Amino acid sequence: AQTVTQSQPEMSVQEAETVTLSCTYDTSESNYYLFWYKQPPSRQMILVIRQEAYKQQNATENRFSVNFQKAAKSFSLKISDSQLGDTAMYFCAYSGAGSYQLTFGKGTKLSVIP
Amino acid sequence: DTAVSQTPKYLVTQMGNDKSIKCEQNLGHDTMYWYKQDSKKFLKIMFSYNNKELIINETVPNRFSPKSPDKAHLNLHINSLELGDSAVYFCASSQVTGSSYTGANVLTFGAGSRLTVL
Repeated sequence: AQTVTQSQPEMSVQEAETVTLSCTYDTSESNYYLFWYKQPPSRQMILVIRQEAYKQQNATENRFSVNFQKAAKSFSLKISDSQLGDTAMYFCAYSGAGSYQLTFGKGTKLSVIP
Repeated sequence: DTAVSQTPKYLVTQMGNDKSIKCEQNLGHDTMYWYKQDSKKFLKIMFSYNNKELIINETVPNRFSPKSPDKAHLNLHINSLELGDSAVYFCASSQVTGSSYTGANVLTFGAGSRLTVL
């Protein structure tokens, strides 16, 4: 079974600074997808970024980028120029290619400090 | 126009009661899900339906019964509510098959329904 581990329960960052959230996963599949979802205090789950395992290039979405290390099974999220609106729970998630199942990590609570 | 809508958003009820949470998606997706988020924020899948067919049925008490009348709706009925059922329940949908399928199962979530059992 696939597992997703987020080892940082809580983190904080000063506004405008950069922060990196860690995620590791375990799988025996060769093709899969990795995601970061954001859950602000409003409770809504929002897709931040996704990475396809067969693509070596790291995904980027504006201020959000990932560092995907396939051999190490590591998938970290970097948030640049942190903004107050980035305060949220961040969940790393895994899905095998063609799978209906999306497995989540336990989340990292990020606080952006003014 | 909300893509995945759940009702009600908040539900407070007594132990032993029966309650339902409704979910509707207007994205034309073929797969819908129920996830449970516990007090520690852990998200765990409960059920998934693809084209009205149950495809994921995780180990949950049989007091929980999903029903999918059509592709756009997935309701969750809970019998004999217990204190431990208190949680936020999320509905989600995705397009897993067909021409728009990219191999990545990208879920769109509803806003969640907070259930409190007293």
